[in-house]
Amino acid sequence: GEDVEQSLFLSVREGDSSVINCTYTDSSSTYLYWYKQEPGAGLQLLTYIFSNMDMKQDQRLTVLLNKKDKHLSLRIADTQTGDSAIYFCAESLRTTSGTYKYIFGTGTRLKVLA
Amino acid sequence: KAGVTQTPRYLIKTRGQQVTLSCSPISGHRSVSWYQQTPGQGLQFLFEYFSETQRNKGNFPGRFSGRQFSNSRSEMNVSTLELGDSALYLCASSGGTYTYNEQFFGPGTRLTVL
Repeated sequence: GEDVEQSLFLSVREGDSSVINCTYTDSSSTYLYWYKQEPGAGLQLLTYIFSNMDMKQDQRLTVLLNKKDKHLSLRIADTQTGDSAIYFCAESLRTTSGTYKYIFGTGTRLKVLA
Repeated sequence: KAGVTQTPRYLIKTRGQQVTLSCSPISGHRSVSWYQQTPGQGLQFLFEYFSETQRNKGNFPGRFSGRQFSNSRSEMNVSTLELGDSALYLCASSGGTYTYNEQFFGPGTRLTVL
């Protein structure tokens, strides 16, 4: 089946690290993504990881992938108030027609307290 | 390069009416995908168009339809609106030809059905 799950809310203090978790069910994912949505805006791609990688680091962002447990996480170091947003996890799956489609999670609302 | 644009940004309709939403992709992008975003449900995939053909389809009733024009602009139509259709409708464009295709999202059209 195709399902991506995330917890709905996370609250952290400014300067702390945030860890947003995601679980997915389809083991045939090719790429996994993290998107950020700020109020009134569309989704912005933050980072992505190829399914045969374990970890990817990009400045304050660290993505960890545990393929065995189908678990993806996004760690934001030194979280700032500007990081307050909704974060979506997504996976891309190959369809029977050879194209790719995206499955998104429910989104995690991150609130950063000053 | 201009981003993905969606019109209108806000729309209020009543039950039973129909609505047409428009999406202009980034210049050169041939793939346009549509998503419905509701609180607690995350993003639900509606359909994807590539070179004027529907390439993938989600699990939405036939009241939801779309099309794509030769300039890659896409429209989405919802007929016989129901209260549950109230949502943010997002479109995303991508090059559409490779495994990794970053999707660029528009700001969305917020539809309210009364």
